[in-house]
Amino acid sequence: KNEVEQSPQNLTAQEGEFITINCSYSVGISALHWLQQHPGGGIVSLFMLSSGKKKHGRLIATINIQEKHSSLHITASHPRDSAVYICAGYGGSQGNLIFGKGTKLSVKP
Amino acid sequence: DGGITQSPKYLFRKEGQNVTLSCEQNLNHDAMYWYRQDPGQGLRLIYYSQIVNDFQKGDIAEGYSVSREKKESFPLTVTSAQKNPTAFYLCASSAKKQAAYEQYFGPGTRLTVT
Repeated sequence: KNEVEQSPQNLTAQEGEFITINCSYSVGISALHWLQQHPGGGIVSLFMLSSGKKKHGRLIATINIQEKHSSLHITASHPRDSAVYICAGYGGSQGNLIFGKGTKLSVKP
Repeated sequence: DGGITQSPKYLFRKEGQNVTLSCEQNLNHDAMYWYRQDPGQGLRLIYYSQIVNDFQKGDIAEGYSVSREKKESFPLTVTSAQKNPTAFYLCASSAKKQAAYEQYFGPGTRLTVT
């Protein structure tokens, strides 16, 4: 079975802290997506990667193909980063996105 | 501005009624998707369409139906056969249904059935 597991489930940080969210996936998943969901429900795609590392502003995403693991890092966290971060792996028998349950991040001022 | 619109944002229905959720995109994307989100669970795929007049069942298609008569539109009908229809529904699209293409999401419709 193709699965995507995220940790932690909930994360509270102080403004300015460095944050890491982890995602592990099973065999059969190729490209990995990191998504951000705000309290209103809308989802924004942050990164899509199948190898190496990508950076956008204060966000960095890495993936280790051999270990089947990806991380999302937020440097100098800010209250506006508070959201649910979702990892999704592309794979499965029909080649669809398989979603993790999300990590709820709260950054306190 | 290009994007995906879903309407309405909130929808209330009585049990036993069918209800149709709207999804429109002006991104010229071939592929469109419907997902359902429940508290504490990851998004689950209901239906997807790779091209006009064609669609495929996802993991939880029972109790739902879709149509794809136009490239821009992919409405989802929640039928009375769906046992637990109250949920948050998200529509998405991508240029093609392949891993290399990013999915763009609409703002979602929160359906409450009582």
